[in-house]
Amino acid sequence: AQTVTQSQPEMSVQEAETVTLSCTYDTSESDYYLFWYKQPPSRQMILVIRQEAYKQQNATENRFSVNFQKAAKSFSLKISDSQLGDAAMYFCACFHTGANSKLTFGKGITLSVRP
Amino acid sequence: NAGVMQNPRHLVRRRGQEARLRCSPMKGHSHVYWYRQLPEEGLKFMVYLQKENIIDESGMPKERFSAEFPKEGPSILRIQQVVRGDSAAYFCASSPSRQGIAEAFFGQGTRLTVV
Repeated sequence: AQTVTQSQPEMSVQEAETVTLSCTYDTSESDYYLFWYKQPPSRQMILVIRQEAYKQQNATENRFSVNFQKAAKSFSLKISDSQLGDAAMYFCACFHTGANSKLTFGKGITLSVRP
Repeated sequence: NAGVMQNPRHLVRRRGQEARLRCSPMKGHSHVYWYRQLPEEGLKFMVYLQKENIIDESGMPKERFSAEFPKEGPSILRIQQVVRGDSAAYFCASSPSRQGIAEAFFGQGTRLTVV
């Protein structure tokens, strides 16, 4: 079984500043993917960024980047130049490619952006 | 190229009634996943289906819940004799293959309210 832990229930950031959202995971598999999803008030689940475990290089998507520490099983999301539209729930998730796998989500973190 | 379509967006049922939630996957996607999101919680896996087959239903409650994905038409999540505790947002995701979960797209969800 795999678990995903997001220990911070909420965070706040000033507009244009940088914020880091934490996530740890646990899996016994060697081949897996890690994700960050954004859920705005509309409830749509939007994929923000994805990291393949076999890749050492941290994934980057515009203002979003991750700090993937495989040995520590840590997968944090950094949002640079925060914008008001970044305010949402953010979920960390893990999927391994073995049998009986499913996408496992953390409990999420509520990010607010102060103007 | 429409995304994953879920309907209805909002569904209100009285206790004891049946709820039917529909999910039309993206074109070319034959794998469907259902997730449930309780208030203040992350998404919890319920069931994984491929056309005409249930692959993994380890997250489905043993009673009152069923799912299908017929050869033609949308995937259906059916909840019989609903209770207040079934009130939640139900999300569907689709992918082109099992490994394609890395490319899975989510629908906007159906919010079920049991009164």
